[in-house]
Amino acid sequence: ETGVTQSPTHLIKTRGQQVTLRCSSQSGHNTVSWYQQALGQGPQFIFQYYREEENGRGNFPPRFSGLQFPNYSSELNVNALELDDSALYLCASSPGLAGRYNEQFFGPGTRLTVL
Amino acid sequence: DQQVKQNSPSLSVQEGRISILNCDYTNSMFDYFLWYKKYPAEGPTFLISISSIKDKNEDGRFTVFLNKSAKHLSLHIVPSQPGDSAVYFCAAATGANNLFFGTGTRLTVIP
Repeated sequence: ETGVTQSPTHLIKTRGQQVTLRCSSQSGHNTVSWYQQALGQGPQFIFQYYREEENGRGNFPPRFSGLQFPNYSSELNVNALELDDSALYLCASSPGLAGRYNEQFFGPGTRLTVL
Repeated sequence: DQQVKQNSPSLSVQEGRISILNCDYTNSMFDYFLWYKKYPAEGPTFLISISSIKDKNEDGRFTVFLNKSAKHLSLHIVPSQPGDSAVYFCAAATGANNLFFGTGTRLTVIP
């Protein structure tokens, strides 16, 4: 059974650019959640996709957007990058809506640096 | 607004002794609590959880205690082993909603 994978591992962008991060969910999982972990902080919830629809969003601006595909893989897009967007971006998949009923399995993350 | 707080950024413990990691929360709607462990270059991995209807849950060397009146939970690891050295995150959830994480505590177990 393949776990959650993310690509790329590392990425360097400049302020104002756009970036796309990718996540392949674990087999049998239909829900993907994205988190941002800034240096020295815990993961902060960005949004969750359940069966290709956004289902819940954290306190992030609209320039953070996402997609989930029919195979339940997902993309996180960030437009107009700012220096504060530099962080580790974690993807987590679960067999249903995340929370007490379904354990989330995390990928290793994508380290984004904005210069 | 940090709804889940881990006030100790780091903790060092001798091998074989007990490690106690603490977590406080402010949202009384949280009804499910989890601990995750994170090694460098890896994503967090689930360790143990507890429902708000319980005050203790045990799994091998790991025990989580919940004090709802104090809005406090703790993770006890006994005996501590060098392989337990990692960053530990406390997280909380309401029903089927997403997780709110604390800032983490780096545990170092000294051989």
